[in-house]
Parts: sequence; structure tokens; C-alpha cells
Amino acid sequence: GENVEQHPSTLSVQEGDSAVIKCTYSDSASNYFPWYKQELGKRPQLIIDIRSNVGEKKDQRIAVTLNKTAKHFSLHITETQPEDSAVYFCAASIGPSNTGKLIFGQGTTLQVKP
Amino acid sequence: GAGVSQTPSNKVTEKGKYVELRCDPISGHTALYWYRQSLGQGPEFLIYFQGTGAADDSGLPNDRFFAVRPEGSVSTLKIQRTERGDSAVYLCASSLKAGGLGSPLHFGNGTRLTVT
Repeated sequence: GENVEQHPSTLSVQEGDSAVIKCTYSDSASNYFPWYKQELGKRPQLIIDIRSNVGEKKDQRIAVTLNKTAKHFSLHITETQPEDSAVYFCAASIGPSNTGKLIFGQGTTLQVKP
Repeated sequence: GAGVSQTPSNKVTEKGKYVELRCDPISGHTALYWYRQSLGQGPEFLIYFQGTGAADDSGLPNDRFFAVRPEGSVSTLKIQRTERGDSAVYLCASSLKAGGLGSPLHFGNGTRLTVT
């Protein structure tokens, strides 16, 4: 079945450093790849998304890159701040036609030390 | 405007009981989704509605789980004969439509279900 692998499971960085989280997916029909941030006890919130016809997308300190051939995509956070500390989930659409039917990775717990 | 609203926020029930979880999506969103999130895991797809009909229920774990959306807005997830393994956070999400550009998922805060 479809699968999304996410690494690392935990990541600790110093404030101001960069953080990179990587995901691979198995379904070659996936064409939508969102990233969600979830703080403890709260809802997952979309932080950035990318579609398969785009290789890279940037929004201020956050960027996502996609390599469709290799079936992997990555989240890059630059100049990290303590408020970036949270669990981050990558996801891939299950099939090409529904951007809401997603398979999620296992999550990465990011800790930014002041 | 208001986000996705889920009630109750917490539900504790005994094994074997029936529970209903409610979701009120963002106004105007035609697509509604239910996900389940176990501790330390990513959300897992259960079912989605486009309008009133269940367009895809392939993620429902078994026939104890059922969901409805009779008027195309509020949805109820129903679990019969609850088991301890059903304990999780049940997340509802909505999007403007099920596909196409500009239709990301917006999640609610979830209902934490504990089966004792």
C-alpha cells in the first residue's frame, strides 16, 4: 500500500540554525505534498504545500523541495526560533485527484534551543 | 471566520458503549474529512464526504465505524461497541472542494476519545 517515510523522528537545533526534515513516498500518482505543524494538544496547521509540477516553493523562512523522480520531498526551516518547536508532519496525496485524502509521515519533533 | 469545530473535545466511555463525535466544518467548504491520530503518530485517513455523500470510506477500520453528513454541512462519526483500541484523537477537517488548486485541509482541534 501507499507509504510515507519521514526522517528524522527527532531533531534538536540551536536557535538561528537551519532544520531539514526529509520524506519519501511510494505512490507515483501522488501529486500534492503538504507540511503540517502540530503543537502539543493542538490541531495540525498547514505551513506550506507543493504540487508535483513545481520543484521548489518558499515562504519566508520555510521552503519545500520536491524530487518527483526520486519520490522525495524536504522541508527546510532557516533561522530557527524557539516558537518553531513542534511536531512536523509531511503528507502525500493518495492518488492524483484528491488533495484532502492524505497519507502522513510519522512526524518529526523539532526542538529549537534558545 | 470560524474554523472547524469539533465536539466534545474529550470523551471517556466504557468498552462496548456507543459514541458519537460531531464536526462542524468551515462554512462553504463542500469536502469534509475524518482522520484518526494515535499517540505519537501522524493522522490516518478514515472517510471523506463531498456534499452529503460518503465519497470514500476506505479508511474506516471495520463496520463498527460509520459517519453521516445528512445536510452537507455538519458530520457525525459514530462508533458502535467501542474497544480500547479505538482510543485516539479523532480529527475532522474540511476543504473548499476535494481537489484542485487552493483546497488545503483545515483541521479541527479534535475529539480525544478514551475507551476504558
